[in-house]
Amino acid sequence: EVQLVESGGVLVHPGGSLTLSCVASGFTLTTYWMTWVRQAPGKGLEWVANIKQDGSSRYYLDSVKGRFTISRDNAENSLYLQMNSLRAEDSAVYYCARWTLYSGYYHIDQWGQGTLVTVSS
Amino acid sequence: QTVVTQEPSVSVSPGGTVTLTCGLSSGSVSTSSHPSWYQQTPGQAPRTLIYNINTRSSGVPDRFSGSIVGNKAALTITGAQADDESDYYCVLYIDSGIWMFGGGTKLTVL
Repeated sequence: EVQLVESGGVLVHPGGSLTLSCVASGFTLTTYWMTWVRQAPGKGLEWVANIKQDGSSRYYLDSVKGRFTISRDNAENSLYLQMNSLRAEDSAVYYCARWTLYSGYYHIDQWGQGTLVTVSS
Repeated sequence: QTVVTQEPSVSVSPGGTVTLTCGLSSGSVSTSSHPSWYQQTPGQAPRTLIYNINTRSSGVPDRFSGSIVGNKAALTITGAQADDESDYYCVLYIDSGIWMFGGGTKLTVL
């Protein structure tokens, strides 16, 4: 069974740092682009970052560029999101998800259950 | 700054047909936008509904269909049921590795 399990979400003070982890099982991580998507309380989904299969390409939402770093360890079947200089507006449930290419087009086909990050003093 | 647009809320009668749309504030949605659709109920992770314009994800009932209509992607529910009451999101590829979700549509079945 394909699974994505996130962890690491906690309450953190503004300006603080945090690293989220996502462990993949049931498939080989090296085959897929991976992504983090977040959802602030009562708000919609927001794409945060993507990373290529070998980690050679990474893309970010403008508002997190320079503060967040997406990375992966394919040997450990794990995806990470290092978050620095956290702001209240970064408070959200963070989902780890998998992009799949089908007939030349990408879509997200697997989602984790999410981990909650709260940034507050 | 490009924005992905969706109707904030839509209602449909049980058994009725409803179409939700996904557009771009500047430009048109095309296949190169890689549009896909996701359903989310409160407290749950999103569920993939439609990809590759009109391919249903495994287990998605055939009352859900996707298309591109004019300059927007569209999700149509034919014969809406009570448990279709959810939030629906589209995501589009914008450019240079950047993706963007629409603001979501809250569908009410009443």
